[in-house]
Amino acid sequence: QVQLQESGPGLVKPSETLSLTCTVSGDSISSYYWSWIRQPPGKALEWIGYIYHSGSTKYNPSLKSRVTISVDRSKNQFSFSLILSSVTAADTAVYYCAAYSSGLSFDIWGHGTMVTVSS
Amino acid sequence: QSALTQPASVSGSPGQSITISCTGTSSDVGTYNLVSWYQHLPGKAPKLMISEVSKRPSGVSNRFSGSKSGNTASLTISGLQAEDEADYYCCSYAGSSPVVFGGGTKLTVL
Repeated sequence: QVQLQESGPGLVKPSETLSLTCTVSGDSISSYYWSWIRQPPGKALEWIGYIYHSGSTKYNPSLKSRVTISVDRSKNQFSFSLILSSVTAADTAVYYCAAYSSGLSFDIWGHGTMVTVSS
Repeated sequence: QSALTQPASVSGSPGQSITISCTGTSSDVGTYNLVSWYQHLPGKAPKLMISEVSKRPSGVSNRFSGSKSGNTASLTISGLQAEDEADYYCCSYAGSSPVVFGGGTKLTVL
C-alpha cells in the first residue's frame, strides 16, 4: 500500500520560492501520476500539476510559469517535489501531494501541509 | 481552465437522499467519463468516493452513487447519515489542461 508524506517550510516570504517534498513509501510505486493539489483557506481544491513515473509533466495553465514538479529516486527512497516561484499571499494554502494510477481518480493522499506566505 | 460549477451548499435530514451537481462543459465533463468525487472533512485529506463517473472504490458505502448526463455529473447520497456531513468536490479530466476541480459543496445533515 502506497503512503505519502509532505514536508517543507511552513512559512515562505513573498517573492521567494516555495519548495515541498512528498516522500513515497510502500511498494508498486511505478505507473502512478504523482500530483500536487492545494486548498487556500476557505476556498476550493486546486490542481497544481503532476509528473508521471516516466518523467513527463503537466501543469495547471494558471500556474505553469511558476511551477516545477520533479522526482528524486536517490537515497533508496522515492520522492517528488514541488517548486513554486515568486510566491504571493495568494499562494497561502494547504498543499497536498496525491496520486492515481488510472482514471484520474486521486485515491492516495498525503495529510497535507500548511504553507503561509508572509513577511 | 474554469472550475466546474457546484452548488455552494445542500442539506438534508437523516435518511433522506440528496444530489450534488457538477456542471462543466463539452471540453471536460461532457466529453470524458473521467469524473471523480471526493469527500473532504476539516483537517483531513480528501477521500475518493466515486471514480470514472460511477465507480465506487472498495470500502465506500453503497449509499454513494454517481452519474452523468451531458455536461453535468451528479453525486447522490442515499440514506443520509450525520457522518456524511462534509465538503464534496467533483473533478474532471479536461484535455490539454488535464485536471479541473469543482468549487465544492458543503453538505449539512439537519
